[in-house]
Amino acid sequence: SYELTQPPSVSVSPGQTARITCSGDALPKQYAYWYQQKPGQAPVLVIYKDSERPSGIPERFSGSSSGTTVTLTISGVQAEDEADYYCQSADSSGTYRVFGTGTKVTVL
Amino acid sequence: QVQLQESGPGLVKPSETLSLTCTVSGGSISSYYWSWIRQPPGKGLEWIGYIYYSGSTNYNPSLKSRVTISVDTSKNQFSLKLSSVTAADTAVYYCAREEYTWKAVAGTPSPYFDYWGQGTLVTVSS
Repeated sequence: SYELTQPPSVSVSPGQTARITCSGDALPKQYAYWYQQKPGQAPVLVIYKDSERPSGIPERFSGSSSGTTVTLTISGVQAEDEADYYCQSADSSGTYRVFGTGTKVTVL
Repeated sequence: QVQLQESGPGLVKPSETLSLTCTVSGGSISSYYWSWIRQPPGKGLEWIGYIYYSGSTNYNPSLKSRVTISVDTSKNQFSLKLSSVTAADTAVYYCAREEYTWKAVAGTPSPYFDYWGQGTLVTVSS
């Protein structure tokens, strides 16, 4: 089955930059999406189509793509950004939806 | 603003069938795909399957033999049934609406989830 791989955790000091990677073989053919999930809450879309930001999402959130890896970047991290982040995509045919393994961002 | 709300029993016995319903408000269930997603306590997200408003379905191969998703357009609802549950099926279950973009280089749909319910915890225990 198709998998998306993320680092389990990323730690960053306030004001610094956090980068979270997501790797998958089908990413050259499929867009990636990023969700932020805080404890006890449903996920919220923060990046779509690899690098687009939905309305209402702060500009410090950005995304990029290169080959089989996509990256979520949080610039000028704030305490409120501490959360779990999941990438999501689909297999190359667009048939099955897949979530990444998830990354816990800790603000030191 | 589209809103989704899951409902159903919070406790299911092992070997029985888990049944949940998602009610969509603030918009029509028509012309969209609708998914179920789950998250075991302390773990990641797992896509269960989707249904189109017309009734066509697609399921995660790892759950396909136990999953049925149905839709009732007259009530603006869709439902999940998961049979023969075990403790491993204990999770927060979310319903979500799907949207699509198209990556030109691939020519295939690229799905994502733009609206989510708040989630409901289902515990499998005797």
